[in-house]
Amino acid sequence: GAVVSQHPSRVICKSGTSVKIECRSLDFQATTMFWYRQFPKQSLMLMATSNEGSKATYEQGVEKDKFLINHASLTLSTLTVTSAHPEDSSFYICSARVLGPSNQPQHFGDGTRLSIL
Amino acid sequence: AQTVTQSQPEMSVQEAETVTLSCTYDTSESDYYLFWYKQPPSRQMILVIRQEAYKQQNATENRFSVNFQKAAKSFSLKISDSQLGDAAMYFCAHFGNEKLTFGTGTRLTIIP
Repeated sequence: GAVVSQHPSRVICKSGTSVKIECRSLDFQATTMFWYRQFPKQSLMLMATSNEGSKATYEQGVEKDKFLINHASLTLSTLTVTSAHPEDSSFYICSARVLGPSNQPQHFGDGTRLSIL
Repeated sequence: AQTVTQSQPEMSVQEAETVTLSCTYDTSESDYYLFWYKQPPSRQMILVIRQEAYKQQNATENRFSVNFQKAAKSFSLKISDSQLGDAAMYFCAHFGNEKLTFGTGTRLTIIP
């Protein structure tokens, strides 16, 4: 089956630090990847849609200068949380959709737990 | 815009019994897809079952089946012969216009 690898799984860093999270599709190509944020005991909220070779599409209320997304290849998208602060602490999870008909489901990475001290 | 509503924050079922999780949605799309995802304590998102809106036949995947009522915009998940490993958060999701929208989730507890 389709595998999405997300790295790192856990990050603890000081306030003001920038953190980069990688999302890789290991055995398939993904022109589109998605980044979600999940607060404790809440649902996944879409932050942005990452398109290979073009600018990401951000959801309303998500600061594009705060959450930088780069999708340089068909198998890799990165999310950089710039100048992170405690309120950015959350669980971030990426997904990728297999190229093909629209009924192809999204396959999710294992998520990154970000803790800003 | 699409919305997904799961009205049951928590459910519990006796092991080996059957449980149904509710989901309703609202959409402006004519072509869309519906999914149920499972999130165990590890927080990995696992696809349970999917349904194409244009198909009238309800999807089935082993012990998991759905009751898809398109006119009512209802998409419930039935889990038969519940097992301890089924304990998790279950999220209903709608995919349309290239966007996946999740419900708020139902926490399912399996009673041994």
